[in-house]
Amino acid sequence: AQSVTQLDSQVPVFEEAPVELRCNYSSSVSVYLFWYVQYPNQGLQLLLKYLSGSTLVKGINGFEAEFNKSQTSFHLRKPSVHISDTAEYFCAVISVYNQGGKLIFGQGTELSVKP
Amino acid sequence: DAGVTQSPTHLIKTRGQHVTLRCSPISGHKSVSWYQQVLGQGPQFIFQYYEKEERGRGNFPDRFSARQFPNYSSELNVNALLLGDSALYLCASSSTGANTGELFFGEGSRLTVL
Repeated sequence: AQSVTQLDSQVPVFEEAPVELRCNYSSSVSVYLFWYVQYPNQGLQLLLKYLSGSTLVKGINGFEAEFNKSQTSFHLRKPSVHISDTAEYFCAVISVYNQGGKLIFGQGTELSVKP
Repeated sequence: DAGVTQSPTHLIKTRGQHVTLRCSPISGHKSVSWYQQVLGQGPQFIFQYYEKEERGRGNFPDRFSARQFPNYSSELNVNALLLGDSALYLCASSSTGANTGELFFGEGSRLTVL
């Protein structure tokens, strides 16, 4: 079984500051990893994903994440945030052996960007 | 192009009633997944269907059921509603049933059980 822990439920930052949203996972098998974003009153949108290869993954809107297998982490970063980045961010994993599309999501981190 | 569409967007039911939620995937997508998102939590997997066959089921009681139609649209049914079923129900589609693919989510159906 897999589980995901997002270490911060809320992250307030000022506009143009850097931000890191932390995600740790637990799994007895190899996993694929994802970050999704949910803007108010909208569905989830994929930011980026790690399947294999380079551990540094670049996504949309200037976000990137680094997969660290030894620390079982997949932290999301952005060097300079904008007001429009205010949203809920979800880290998710899925077993590489799972054919049923069962994404396991974390509890979410609410990013609040202040002017 | 139309994204994933869900209906209804909001609904209110009372305990013991039944509800049907509908989802139309992106054109050409053959896989539909359903997730339940309780306020303040991440989405929880309920079902996945691919080519009209159930591919996966989450840890939900038998009161929850789903099906996929020949046009790849899908319905989620919940019987004997409980207060704890109040949540945002999200439908997601993908072009394949593989777990490496990107999921495209609809805006959800917000169910309130009184």
